[in-house]
Amino acid sequence: EIVLTQSPGTLSLSPGERATLSCRASQSVSSSYLAWYQQKPGQAPRLLIYGTSSRATGIPDRFSGSGSGTDFTLTISRLEPEDFAVYYCQQYGSSPPYTFGQGTKLEIK
Amino acid sequence: EVQLLESGGGLVQPGGSLRLSCAASGFTFSSYAMSWVRQAPGKGLEWVSGISGSGGSTSYADSVKGRFTISRDNSKNALYVQMDSLRDDDTAVYYCARRYADTTRHFDYWGQGTLVTVSS
Repeated sequence: EIVLTQSPGTLSLSPGERATLSCRASQSVSSSYLAWYQQKPGQAPRLLIYGTSSRATGIPDRFSGSGSGTDFTLTISRLEPEDFAVYYCQQYGSSPPYTFGQGTKLEIK
Repeated sequence: EVQLLESGGGLVQPGGSLRLSCAASGFTFSSYAMSWVRQAPGKGLEWVSGISGSGGSTSYADSVKGRFTISRDNSKNALYVQMDSLRDDDTAVYYCARRYADTTRHFDYWGQGTLVTVSS
């Protein structure tokens, strides 16, 4: 099983600042199979990034993804008030086919 | 517009059964693999089960293997999961999610979820 470890667990920043969220895999992950989701309280997850760096439809360009192998990053260039949420990375691999990281909570400082 | 609407959640006793449904609309349902993903209260996301577009291939997380059965009816644009021998740790919001292309295998659309509570 590929384990995804996200850091930090909680990130406290102010609107306008830059956020950098990390996702580290226990084994190499194909860059095609790494995605990021945003989840707000009481809502379903929303796809942000797929294939490591491709933005989903309607996602603002302040969100970007990068990485390869075992280290992946989600960057939010200038935080807007609506960006404060929990973020999950997800990979596709061998059994089980899909795993998620434990999440990073992005909170207002 | 793609829509996924789950139903069937509720309170069930340990050892009991429940069947969740997901009604899909706005896309050619049979062309997409689908999955169930759950989230225990205050916890992260856990993939539970997946099924191919034709329904001919299924997969399960070890935590539910032998207890849950995923299925679909492409004539009704519906996804199901039959949950048997339910345990306290199956308590969660259950989401159905559309699995995008084989080339990237991410979940591009999610339902709003249905809450399953397993408790005596």
